[in-house]
Amino acid sequence: DVKVTQSSRYLVKRTGEKVFLECVQDMDHENMFWYRQDPGLGLRLIYFSYDVKMKEKGDIPEGYSVSREKKERFSLILESASTNQTSMYLCASSLLREDRNEQFFGPGTRLTVL
Amino acid sequence: QKEVEQNSGPLSVPEGAIASLNCTYSDRVSQSFFWYRQYSGKSPELIMSIYSNGDKEDGRFTAQLNKASQYVSLLIRDSQPSDSATYLCAVSVYSGGGADGLTFGKGTHLIIQP
Repeated sequence: DVKVTQSSRYLVKRTGEKVFLECVQDMDHENMFWYRQDPGLGLRLIYFSYDVKMKEKGDIPEGYSVSREKKERFSLILESASTNQTSMYLCASSLLREDRNEQFFGPGTRLTVL
Repeated sequence: QKEVEQNSGPLSVPEGAIASLNCTYSDRVSQSFFWYRQYSGKSPELIMSIYSNGDKEDGRFTAQLNKASQYVSLLIRDSQPSDSATYLCAVSVYSGGGADGLTFGKGTHLIIQP
């Protein structure tokens, strides 16, 4: 079974803090993704990576950065947290298999910025 | 702008009946199509993927794809109370250099009435 883990289930931070969200997958997947999920807006792609040290912007990258130093680990960084970044953050991974893109999600991190 | 549209529901179905969930997408070059199930407070779980026109069956679930009409559906036979959840439709375009992120619909809330 694919296993995607995220460092925290719940996180509370203050405005202006630097926040690190960690994601690890154990299935040797090339692709990794960060989404956020908000009521009424659905899941939206923040960043993704298809190889170590590679990153691509998604639909809403503003205010975020990412790091992928090892194949199994993909980090999302909030440089200076703001209240509008309060959300559920979901990490996913997938194999690079021609035109297949079955993504498997971690349990999510519910981040509250006060 | 890629868009995926779903009726938000709630869709109420009696136990034992067939639940029919629908999804339309705007990007004609979309190649991969997915249905995820999400229970309240949990992360999305992949239940079906479909890549070519026609039907694909897996247990009580059948996914149907019609690329000409840009339409994908999910049928759940013999609906059970445990099927009560939000169902997310997602589409993907393979960009060649690496897999793209998924574009999600906002989900249909399904309620199975005992």
